Amino acid sequence: KQEVTQIPAALSVPEGENLVLNCSFTDSAIYNLQWFRQDPGKGLTSLLLIQSSQREQTSGRLNASLDKSSGRSTLYIAASQPGDSATYLCAVPTSGNTGKLIFGQGTTLQVKP
Amino acid sequence: NAGVTQTPKFRILKIGQSMTLQCAQDMNHNYMYWYRQDPGMGLKLIYYSVGAGITDKGEVPNGYNVSRSTTEDFPLRLELAAPSQTSVYFCASSYPERGNGGYTFGSGTRLTVV
Repeated sequence: KQEVTQIPAALSVPEGENLVLNCSFTDSAIYNLQWFRQDPGKGLTSLLLIQSSQREQTSGRLNASLDKSSGRSTLYIAASQPGDSATYLCAVPTSGNTGKLIFGQGTTLQVKP
Repeated sequence: NAGVTQTPKFRILKIGQSMTLQCAQDMNHNYMYWYRQDPGMGLKLIYYSVGAGITDKGEVPNGYNVSRSTTEDFPLRLELAAPSQTSVYFCASSYPERGNGGYTFGSGTRLTVV
């Protein structure tokens, strides 16, 4: 059974720092991996989607990497800003063509001005 | 605005009461989902649907029911509410692929059972 784990559960950094969020999964036979952002009291917004054939995906100050063989993905945030404060969740699809996702428990990031 | 609309945003139920959480999307997505999120936890799948008339159980379906009579609507029914159902409920829809992007979430319904 696929399990997705995110460490740390919470992170607090000063503005301007570069930081890395970690995501690990137990079954390496994944089609892709997504990173989502969740603001307090809001739904989830998709940030980056990495296909199984890709090793990296970039969007602005965000860079996500995928290493299927080791069951890991990282989300790198460059030059963090207070507006980056949110919970970040990673998710992988279950087997079958149903679009179902298995989520990690999330990392709550606070960027202090 | 195109997207996934959930109602209500907040609700307090007494133990044993029933209610329906509404979800509607206007993007013509075939695939729709109901997830619940407990504090400090990721999302867990309750039910999902791959098209009108087709529904199936997810990881935590007990105490819930769904129906999918149209492409647009995917209501979640809670029968005999229990404190364990206190949670935030998210509806989502996606393209009919292996979770390949196009995943859109509603803003959630915060439910408290007392």
